[in-house]
Amino acid sequence: DAGVIQSPRHEVTEMGQEVTLRCKPISGHNSLFWYRQTMMRGLELLIYFNNNVPIDDSGMPEDRFSAKMPNASFSTLKIQPSEPRDSAVYFCASSLRELALNEQFFGPGTRLTVL
Amino acid sequence: GENVEQHPSTLSVQEGDSAVIKCTYSDSASNYFPWYKQELGKRPQLIIDIRSNVGEKKDQRIAVTLNKTAKHFSLHITETQPEDSAVYFCAGYNFNKFYFGSGTKLNVKP
Repeated sequence: DAGVIQSPRHEVTEMGQEVTLRCKPISGHNSLFWYRQTMMRGLELLIYFNNNVPIDDSGMPEDRFSAKMPNASFSTLKIQPSEPRDSAVYFCASSLRELALNEQFFGPGTRLTVL
Repeated sequence: GENVEQHPSTLSVQEGDSAVIKCTYSDSASNYFPWYKQELGKRPQLIIDIRSNVGEKKDQRIAVTLNKTAKHFSLHITETQPEDSAVYFCAGYNFNKFYFGSGTKLNVKP
């Protein structure tokens, strides 16, 4: 298995532009998580899905952020419009939500820079 | 919700010494506690985990202990090596959410 796949790996954009981050979870995993990591705030959970359904989006910082999971193998995190304070590394992670199997695996991350 | 606190924020040890990182959690419903290692510019990677029905788990030079009564768990690294230098995160899991500690930057001096 290729593991969790994220694209792009790096994104540089200008303030006000729309940014779309993509994630492909590990095949067979039914939970997907989006995290944001910064030096100041550490690793923050933004939103998570179970069986493609958003369960908890309380970590989404503002209405500028939205996430979708149209099927079991794809999710997007969109920021519109982007701002310099959105600059961070965004990780996607997936896990298999079963009684004894809930290890979480991270993707390589997308480093976002908003100028 | 759950609150996971991690100490220390930085830890410097001499190669060959042991390192201990401690975490506390607030919600007794948490039942799974993974530890992640994150090297600079890389993704967090699971190194060891423990479930709430176990008190201790060991894997070569790393071990994790869990005290459910006191709601704390610890990562122990013995015979540290320079390649152990990284940021380590603890986490607690309940109701399908992972709550992460703030991280410990471990520096192993050769």
